[in-house]
Order: sequence, then structure tokens, then C-alpha cells
Amino acid sequence: SYVLTQPPSVSVAPGQTARITCGGNNIGSKSVHWYQQKPGQAPVLVVYDDSDRPSGIPERFSGSNSGNTATLTISRVEAGDEADYYCQVWDSSSDLGVFGGGTKLTVL
Amino acid sequence: EVQLVESGGGLVKPGGSLRLSCAASGFTFSNAWMSWVRQAPGKGLEWVGRIKSKTDGGTTDYAAPVKGRFTISRDDSKNTLYLQMNSLKTEDTAVYYCTTEMATTHPWFDYWGQGTLVTVSS
Repeated sequence: SYVLTQPPSVSVAPGQTARITCGGNNIGSKSVHWYQQKPGQAPVLVVYDDSDRPSGIPERFSGSNSGNTATLTISRVEAGDEADYYCQVWDSSSDLGVFGGGTKLTVL
Repeated sequence: EVQLVESGGGLVKPGGSLRLSCAASGFTFSNAWMSWVRQAPGKGLEWVGRIKSKTDGGTTDYAAPVKGRFTISRDDSKNTLYLQMNSLKTEDTAVYYCTTEMATTHPWFDYWGQGTLVTVSS
């Protein structure tokens, strides 16, 4: 089955740029989606189809995908961005949803 | 406004059964593809399975750990999604989320319920 690999944690100072990676075999050929989950809350979709944002998501959130790595970039990080972030793809060969292990973003 | 409200969680013994429900509103449920995603305590997200709309065949797909034990169904007249869980194991302990699934070849999960906790323990 398809495997997505995320770093367990990323730390960044307020106002700086956070980059959260999601690795997978030839992931650039797939569409990658990203979710934000704050403690005690349900996940929220923040980026879909590699780089599109749902309505209501700030432009500070952006995504890219190429080769074996997809990246969620959060610009001008705020304290409120502290959360767990998950990448997700659809494994078309098996018709299954796949999530990465999640990355905890800490705002210093 | 899209709303998804899960219910039916609780404590069940290993080997037991439980049925979760998800009441949907704010969109045309009969046209929607729906998924269940779970999260074990302190762990990451795990896709459980999905059901397509009846117009798209109404077919279901399941993750390997639950295939043969869990069944997803829908009642479009009641705008309700179900997850029948049989032969439950301790490792099925998790918060179960109901989600809408974008109906494409590379779907994402755009709306989520608040989740319902299932605890499998003797």
C-alpha cells in the first residue's frame, strides 16, 4: 500500500515561514490534500489538489508538489497556526484513502 | 451550512458490535460521497472506508484493517450515513469522524463532523 511520510514535528518563530513536507513514491503524480487539526477539534481542510485553498482559508497557506515530496507552506506564522497537520492522497490502484502520520507545528 | 453529527459511540467489549450514525444537513446528501475516518487516542488519522452516491453506483471501499468486519451504508431518505462495526477489537478504539468526500478520482474530505468515541475494552 502507498505510504506517506511526514516529520513528527516542525518548530518556527512567529512571523516566519513554516514548511511541512510529505514524502511518497512519485507523489508528484498524485493530488495531495492537507488538513489542520487543533487539540480537541475535528480536522479542517486547508489545501486541496496540491495548491488550492478552500474558501475561508488564509492566503498564508499554500502548497506545492513535485517528484517525491509535497510541501505545505505557512507564511507569516501566527500562534493560532499551532496544530497538527496531515497530508492525504488517494491510492487509485487500491481505491483507498491514505493519510500521512501527521506533523506537530509548534510556534515558538 | 453543512452539518454532520455523529452518534452511537460508546464502550463495547472485544468481539462486540456497534452501529454509528451520521446525520447530515445543509447539502444534497443523496448526491454526496461519504467517508468515515478514525483517530486512535494520541495517534494520527486513518481512513476507514467510503460509500459513493447511488447515482454513482453506491459502491463501498474499505481499509484493510476493517474489511470484512465493518459495513458502510446510507439512507438517503433520512440523510443519514451508517457504520456497522462487528467483531470489534481493542485496536478499533478511536474517535470516528464522518466526512463528505469530493467525488473525483483523487478525492479529499471537505467537511467533517465532531466525531464520536468508540472504546473497545473488557
